[in-house]
Amino acid sequence: AQSVTQPDIHITVSEGASLELRCNYSYGATPYLFWYVQSPGQGLQLLLKYFSGDTLVQGIKGFEAEFKRSQSSFNLRKPSVHWSDAAEYFCAVGGVNFNKFYFGSGTKLNVKP
Amino acid sequence: NAGVTQTPKFQVLKTGQSMTLQCAQDMNHEYMSWYRQDPGMGLRLIHYSVGAGITDQGEVPNGYNVSRSTTEDFPLRLLSAAPSQTSVYFCASSYTSATGNEKLFFGSGTQLSVL
Repeated sequence: AQSVTQPDIHITVSEGASLELRCNYSYGATPYLFWYVQSPGQGLQLLLKYFSGDTLVQGIKGFEAEFKRSQSSFNLRKPSVHWSDAAEYFCAVGGVNFNKFYFGSGTKLNVKP
Repeated sequence: NAGVTQTPKFQVLKTGQSMTLQCAQDMNHEYMSWYRQDPGMGLRLIHYSVGAGITDQGEVPNGYNVSRSTTEDFPLRLLSAAPSQTSVYFCASSYTSATGNEKLFFGSGTQLSVL
């Protein structure tokens, strides 16, 4: 069955510290992987995506993610967190048909000054 | 370019009432879908459509109906609202291409409360 697991419900980091948000997926075919960010009361904004090729993908706002097929993971990273990064982050997986997506339960990021 | 437009933004219903959440996209996308977002559960797929006249169920379809008579519109109907349907609903559209630019375009959401 297709599923996405984000094991960390809440994470707090200090401003300027590095960040890694974990995502593991289960998918029966070649996965398309995404990270979205949602600020309070807002819709979802795409941070980055992986379809094929280089397993390290760069996104907007200084985020990057690495696809590790052997670990079924697609962790999101940022070298130095800014206060404006406080939001909820969702990992998602979809297939080549691109019509059905499965989302993780989200990780809420809090940034300490 | 409007993108994906959802209406209304907020709605309060009484148990047993029916209503339709509207979703329209002006990007000529093939695929449209409805998700509900509940705290601690992420987004769950309710129904999706791969083109006009074609719809299918997602993870949590019970209590909801959809139709896709045109490429642009994909309304979600609650036939008899229940408190368990209190949630934030997102409509999304997407497409496939040879350029790898596929992604989900989300509407701004509808916050629904069922009393």
